[in-house]
Amino acid sequence: DTGVSQNPRHKITKRGQNVTFRCDPISEHNRLYWYRQTLGQGPEFLTYFQNEAQLEKSRLLSDRFSAERPKGSFSTLEIQRTEQGDSAMYLCASSSPGPFVAQHFGDGTRLSIL
Amino acid sequence: AQTVTQSQPEMSVQEAETVTLSCTYDTSESNYYLFWYKQPPSRQMILVIRQEAYKQQNATENRFSVNFQKAAKSFSLKISDSQLGDTAMYFCAFDGGATNKLIFGTGTLLAVQP
Repeated sequence: DTGVSQNPRHKITKRGQNVTFRCDPISEHNRLYWYRQTLGQGPEFLTYFQNEAQLEKSRLLSDRFSAERPKGSFSTLEIQRTEQGDSAMYLCASSSPGPFVAQHFGDGTRLSIL
Repeated sequence: AQTVTQSQPEMSVQEAETVTLSCTYDTSESNYYLFWYKQPPSRQMILVIRQEAYKQQNATENRFSVNFQKAAKSFSLKISDSQLGDTAMYFCAFDGGATNKLIFGTGTLLAVQP
């Protein structure tokens, strides 16, 4: 169990640029979640995959955001035309199927918009 | 919609003492799951303890225990014999069970003083 890996750890970009984050879940986990955490707040759910299928998206996920999980392995989260309000920590988590299972979190990618 | 409220933004406790962190939630569901996660400074979020709503017995994990009051929709975390390594942000989280996405509270920053 190598844990959930997220890259990059920190991304600094200018407003209006596109950014892409990657998440590698624990290999046997078929569920993958993206959350966003702003300063002083708890993580907020963005989207959820079961294998390669994206099964739920939050209203927080505007049309500038897109997430994929090809082949049900790693996942990418892309933000187009970044805005100041996109500055946050983006957390990825994975879990086994079924209820009452713990989600395992990565270290997160901190996005800073200049 | 489900909500989770943590009314204590910050708490402090002396090493070896006991501290209780509060959490209340709102839901119309009868079966759900509750979690406490710990996020140390600049480190991954990790699971501390979890509780199934249909189980009346309070969960216990070593020095960590919960007081689950379903009627009052309350889920507090008790940390006994506090250690310096317990210093972290603690998040209460609700899982309604359908997709197992987590709804987090705003967190309580716990400082354990030597």
